Amino acid sequence: QQQVKQSPQSLIVQKGGISIINCAYENTAFDYFPWYQQFPGKGPALLIAIRPDVSEKKEGRFTISFNKSAKQFSLHIMDSQPGDSATYFCAASMNNDMRFGAGTRLTVKP
Amino acid sequence: GAVVSQHPSWVICKSGTSVKIECRSLDFQATTMFWYRQFPKQSLMLMATSNEGSKATYEQGVEKDKFLINHASLTLSTLTVTSAHPEDSSFYICSARDSPAKRRQYFGPGTRLTVL
Repeated sequence: QQQVKQSPQSLIVQKGGISIINCAYENTAFDYFPWYQQFPGKGPALLIAIRPDVSEKKEGRFTISFNKSAKQFSLHIMDSQPGDSATYFCAASMNNDMRFGAGTRLTVKP
Repeated sequence: GAVVSQHPSWVICKSGTSVKIECRSLDFQATTMFWYRQFPKQSLMLMATSNEGSKATYEQGVEKDKFLINHASLTLSTLTVTSAHPEDSSFYICSARDSPAKRRQYFGPGTRLTVL
Protein backbone atom coordinates (compact mmCIF):
# COMPACT_ATOMS: atom_id res chain seq x y z
CA GLN A 1 0.00 0.00 0.00
CA GLN A 2 1.64 3.19 -1.17
CA GLN A 3 0.79 5.89 1.31
CA VAL A 4 2.72 8.64 -0.43
CA LYS A 5 2.47 9.04 -4.19
CA GLN A 6 5.17 11.05 -5.93
CA SER A 7 5.40 12.37 -9.47
CA PRO A 8 7.00 12.65 -11.90
CA GLN A 9 9.30 9.64 -11.83
CA SER A 10 11.92 11.60 -13.71
CA LEU A 11 12.36 15.22 -14.65
CA ILE A 12 14.72 17.06 -16.98
CA VAL A 13 15.12 20.81 -16.53
CA GLN A 14 17.37 23.35 -18.14
CA LYS A 15 19.81 25.25 -15.96
CA GLY A 16 18.09 28.24 -14.44
CA GLY A 17 14.64 26.71 -14.76
CA ILE A 18 12.16 25.70 -12.09
CA SER A 19 11.90 22.07 -11.02
CA ILE A 20 8.56 21.00 -9.59
CA ILE A 21 7.91 17.69 -7.88
CA ASN A 22 4.53 16.72 -6.50
CA CYS A 23 3.40 14.40 -3.75
CA ALA A 24 0.05 13.28 -2.40
CA TYR A 25 -0.69 11.45 0.80
CA GLU A 26 -3.66 9.52 2.09
CA ASN A 27 -3.43 9.41 5.86
CA THR A 28 -4.55 12.65 7.50
CA ALA A 29 -2.68 11.66 10.65
CA PHE A 30 0.63 12.54 9.00
CA ASP A 31 1.93 15.73 10.58
CA TYR A 32 5.42 16.23 9.18
CA PHE A 33 6.37 16.40 5.52
CA PRO A 34 10.08 16.46 4.66
CA TRP A 35 11.86 16.43 1.33
CA TYR A 36 15.13 14.58 0.94
CA GLN A 37 17.87 14.78 -1.67
CA GLN A 38 19.90 11.68 -2.42
CA PHE A 39 22.98 11.32 -4.57
CA PRO A 40 23.98 7.89 -5.91
CA GLY A 41 25.52 5.68 -3.25
CA LYS A 42 24.78 8.16 -0.46
CA GLY A 43 22.20 8.43 2.26
CA PRO A 44 19.34 10.91 1.92
CA ALA A 45 19.86 14.43 3.19
CA LEU A 46 17.07 16.63 4.47
CA LEU A 47 16.37 19.60 2.23
CA ILE A 48 13.35 21.21 3.77
CA ALA A 49 10.32 20.15 5.78
CA ILE A 50 6.89 21.51 6.59
CA ARG A 51 4.11 21.01 9.11
CA PRO A 52 0.45 20.96 7.99
CA ASP A 53 -0.39 24.22 9.72
CA VAL A 54 1.74 26.12 7.19
CA SER A 55 0.88 26.48 3.51
CA GLU A 56 4.32 27.41 2.26
CA LYS A 57 7.91 27.33 3.45
CA LYS A 58 10.92 28.71 1.66
CA GLU A 59 14.60 28.07 2.30
CA GLY A 60 16.92 29.56 -0.28
CA ARG A 61 16.03 28.17 -3.70
CA PHE A 62 13.78 25.48 -2.22
CA THR A 63 10.08 26.02 -1.51
CA ILE A 64 7.46 23.63 -0.22
CA SER A 65 3.84 24.34 -1.04
CA PHE A 66 1.33 22.49 1.11
CA ASN A 67 -2.39 22.01 0.44
CA LYS A 68 -3.94 20.34 3.45
CA SER A 69 -7.44 20.01 2.04
CA ALA A 70 -6.16 18.33 -1.10
CA LYS A 71 -3.59 16.29 0.85
CA GLN A 72 -0.90 17.37 -1.55
CA PHE A 73 2.45 19.05 -1.27
CA SER A 74 5.13 19.99 -3.73
CA LEU A 75 8.76 20.97 -3.93
CA HIS A 76 9.85 23.84 -6.12
CA ILE A 77 13.52 24.30 -6.93
CA MET A 78 14.14 27.75 -8.31
CA ASP A 79 17.08 28.56 -10.58
CA SER A 80 17.89 24.87 -10.91
CA GLN A 81 21.59 24.05 -11.24
CA PRO A 82 23.43 21.00 -12.60
CA GLY A 83 24.55 20.30 -9.03
CA ASP A 84 20.90 19.80 -8.11
CA SER A 85 20.84 16.67 -10.28
CA ALA A 86 19.89 13.94 -7.83
CA THR A 87 16.95 11.85 -6.71
CA TYR A 88 14.41 13.63 -4.56
CA PHE A 89 12.09 11.90 -2.14
CA CYS A 90 9.09 13.34 -0.41
CA ALA A 91 7.98 11.76 2.83
CA ALA A 92 5.15 11.92 5.31
CA SER A 93 5.55 11.15 8.97
CA MET A 94 3.60 10.60 12.15
CA ASN A 95 5.18 9.50 15.41
CA ASN A 96 7.79 6.85 14.51
CA ASP A 97 6.33 6.20 11.10
CA MET A 98 7.88 7.85 8.04
CA ARG A 99 6.73 6.82 4.58
CA PHE A 100 8.62 7.80 1.46
CA GLY A 101 7.44 8.55 -2.02
CA ALA A 102 8.88 6.57 -4.92
CA GLY A 103 11.40 9.27 -5.77
CA THR A 104 12.00 11.65 -8.66
CA ARG A 105 15.23 11.58 -10.61
CA LEU A 106 16.05 15.16 -11.50
CA THR A 107 18.51 16.02 -14.24
CA VAL A 108 19.46 19.65 -14.72
CA LYS A 109 21.06 20.22 -18.10
CA PRO A 110 23.73 22.92 -18.38
CA GLY B 1 24.89 19.43 12.70
CA ALA B 2 23.94 15.95 13.79
CA VAL B 3 26.03 13.26 12.13
CA VAL B 4 25.22 9.60 11.71
CA SER B 5 27.85 7.16 10.53
CA GLN B 6 27.59 3.63 9.24
CA HIS B 7 30.19 0.91 9.06
CA PRO B 8 31.08 -0.67 6.81
CA SER B 9 30.20 1.45 3.79
CA TRP B 10 30.17 -1.64 1.64
CA VAL B 11 30.50 -5.35 2.22
CA ILE B 12 30.62 -8.44 0.03
CA CYS B 13 29.90 -11.79 1.59
CA LYS B 14 29.20 -15.35 0.62
CA SER B 15 25.72 -16.79 0.73
CA GLY B 16 24.93 -18.29 4.13
CA THR B 17 27.17 -16.02 6.15
CA SER B 18 26.06 -13.30 8.56
CA VAL B 19 26.89 -9.64 8.23
CA LYS B 20 26.75 -6.94 10.90
CA ILE B 21 26.21 -3.28 10.06
CA GLU B 22 26.81 -0.58 12.65
CA CYS B 23 25.02 2.74 12.90
CA ARG B 24 26.37 5.42 15.20
CA SER B 25 25.18 8.86 16.14
CA LEU B 26 28.42 10.79 16.50
CA ASP B 27 27.43 13.99 18.25
CA PHE B 28 24.06 13.34 19.78
CA GLN B 29 22.16 10.72 21.70
CA ALA B 30 19.69 8.85 19.54
CA THR B 31 16.58 7.85 21.43
CA THR B 32 15.24 6.14 18.36
CA MET B 33 17.00 4.60 15.39
CA PHE B 34 15.50 3.37 12.17
CA TRP B 35 16.68 0.87 9.58
CA TYR B 36 15.73 1.17 5.92
CA ARG B 37 16.43 -0.92 2.87
CA GLN B 38 16.69 0.54 -0.60
CA PHE B 39 16.86 -1.48 -3.79
CA PRO B 40 18.40 0.11 -6.91
CA LYS B 41 16.37 3.00 -8.25
CA GLN B 42 13.69 2.43 -5.65
CA SER B 43 12.49 4.22 -2.57
CA LEU B 44 13.46 3.66 1.03
CA MET B 45 11.48 1.00 2.81
CA LEU B 46 11.35 1.06 6.58
CA MET B 47 12.46 -2.26 8.04
CA ALA B 48 12.35 -1.62 11.76
CA THR B 49 12.34 0.96 14.50
CA SER B 50 14.39 0.58 17.64
CA ASN B 51 14.49 2.44 20.90
CA GLU B 52 17.50 2.22 23.15
CA GLY B 53 17.22 -0.72 25.49
CA SER B 54 14.06 -2.07 23.91
CA LYS B 55 13.27 -4.70 21.35
CA ALA B 56 12.96 -3.43 17.82
CA THR B 57 9.59 -3.06 16.16
CA TYR B 58 9.62 -4.65 12.73
CA GLU B 59 7.53 -3.68 9.76
CA GLN B 60 5.15 -6.20 8.30
CA GLY B 61 6.95 -8.64 6.06
CA VAL B 62 10.38 -8.12 7.61
CA GLU B 63 11.72 -11.27 9.26
CA LYS B 64 12.95 -10.39 12.72
CA ASP B 65 14.97 -13.60 12.99
CA LYS B 66 16.79 -12.79 9.78
CA PHE B 67 17.39 -9.11 10.42
CA LEU B 68 18.57 -8.85 14.01
CA ILE B 69 18.58 -5.34 15.42
CA ASN B 70 20.29 -4.33 18.62
CA HIS B 71 20.14 -0.84 20.08
CA ALA B 72 22.29 -1.30 23.16
CA SER B 73 23.26 2.31 23.70
CA LEU B 74 22.07 5.79 22.85
CA THR B 75 24.70 6.11 20.15
CA LEU B 76 24.85 2.67 18.56
CA SER B 77 22.47 0.37 16.76
CA THR B 78 23.45 -2.72 14.83
CA LEU B 79 21.72 -4.64 12.08
CA THR B 80 22.82 -8.23 11.55
CA VAL B 81 21.72 -9.95 8.39
CA THR B 82 21.81 -13.63 9.29
CA SER B 83 22.35 -16.38 6.73
CA ALA B 84 22.47 -13.84 3.95
CA HIS B 85 21.29 -14.77 0.48
CA PRO B 86 21.68 -12.96 -2.85
CA GLU B 87 18.17 -11.52 -2.55
CA ASP B 88 19.34 -9.69 0.59
CA SER B 89 21.74 -7.67 -1.53
CA SER B 90 20.65 -4.08 -1.10
CA PHE B 91 21.56 -0.64 0.23
CA TYR B 92 20.89 -0.51 3.96
CA ILE B 93 20.46 2.92 5.52
CA CYS B 94 20.02 3.83 9.15
CA SER B 95 18.67 7.02 10.62
CA ALA B 96 18.49 8.44 14.09
CA ARG B 97 16.31 10.85 15.99
CA ASP B 98 17.48 12.77 19.02
CA SER B 99 14.12 13.36 20.65
CA PRO B 100 10.71 11.67 20.62
CA ALA B 101 9.19 15.13 20.24
CA LYS B 102 11.08 15.82 17.04
CA ARG B 103 10.24 14.35 13.69
CA ARG B 104 13.54 15.00 11.96
CA GLN B 105 15.62 11.92 11.22
CA TYR B 106 19.32 12.15 10.50
CA PHE B 107 20.38 9.60 7.93
CA GLY B 108 23.60 7.68 7.70
CA PRO B 109 25.55 7.31 4.44
CA GLY B 110 24.30 3.78 3.86
CA THR B 111 25.90 0.35 3.54
CA ARG B 112 25.99 -1.51 0.25
CA LEU B 113 25.60 -5.25 0.87
CA THR B 114 26.35 -7.69 -1.91
CA VAL B 115 25.76 -11.36 -1.26
CA LEU B 116 27.43 -13.71 -3.70
